[in-house]
Amino acid sequence: GQNIDQPTEMTATEGAIVQINCTYQTSGFNGLFWYQQHAGEAPTFLSYNVLDGLEEKGRFSSFLSRSKGYSYLLLKELQMKDSASYLCAAPLSSGSARQLTFGSGTQLTVLP
Amino acid sequence: DGGITQSPKYLFRKEGQNVTLSCEQNLNHDAMYWYRQDPGQGLRLIYYSQIVNDFQKGDIAEGYSVSREKKESFPLTVTSAQKNPTAFYLCASSTRTTNEKLFFGSGTQLSVL
Repeated sequence: GQNIDQPTEMTATEGAIVQINCTYQTSGFNGLFWYQQHAGEAPTFLSYNVLDGLEEKGRFSSFLSRSKGYSYLLLKELQMKDSASYLCAAPLSSGSARQLTFGSGTQLTVLP
Repeated sequence: DGGITQSPKYLFRKEGQNVTLSCEQNLNHDAMYWYRQDPGQGLRLIYYSQIVNDFQKGDIAEGYSVSREKKESFPLTVTSAQKNPTAFYLCASSTRTTNEKLFFGSGTQLSVL
């Protein structure tokens, strides 16, 4: 089957580091995406991991372990504008096409 | 500028009425998608299309219909058969359906009067 789990809410302080975890169970795994979504807006792409390890992009990094079915998004030097929902997504197998399955999202609140 | 445009931003539906949400992209993407998002939940796939004149049901297609007569356009109709239509609807596109990142429109909030 296909399932993606992530915490519902997290709170952190401006300037701090936060790690948002995501676990998945999906057959035929082929990559994991992270998106950021501000309230009432469209999700925007943050990262895509297909190989094990850490990928860094400025203040944001994403890690993947395929053997453990686990990923995390690491946000450094938190800013108030980082308050948003962070969605973990992976392709599932559906007939002849592979479509993204999204987790429920982790609502991050950054406090001053 | 290339992008994906949804309209309207807000839409109200009366009971028994069909309403259509517009989605247009000028990114020359082959694949287009419709997702529904309820408060505090992730995105659920309604319909997707890999090519013009072809579309497939997603996980929650009941009560919805789509068409793909042009590569640029993928309108979604919320029919009267959809008994709980209040949600945030997101349209997206990608270069192909496998492992390509999605580009999203700004969304349509549909509410029932």
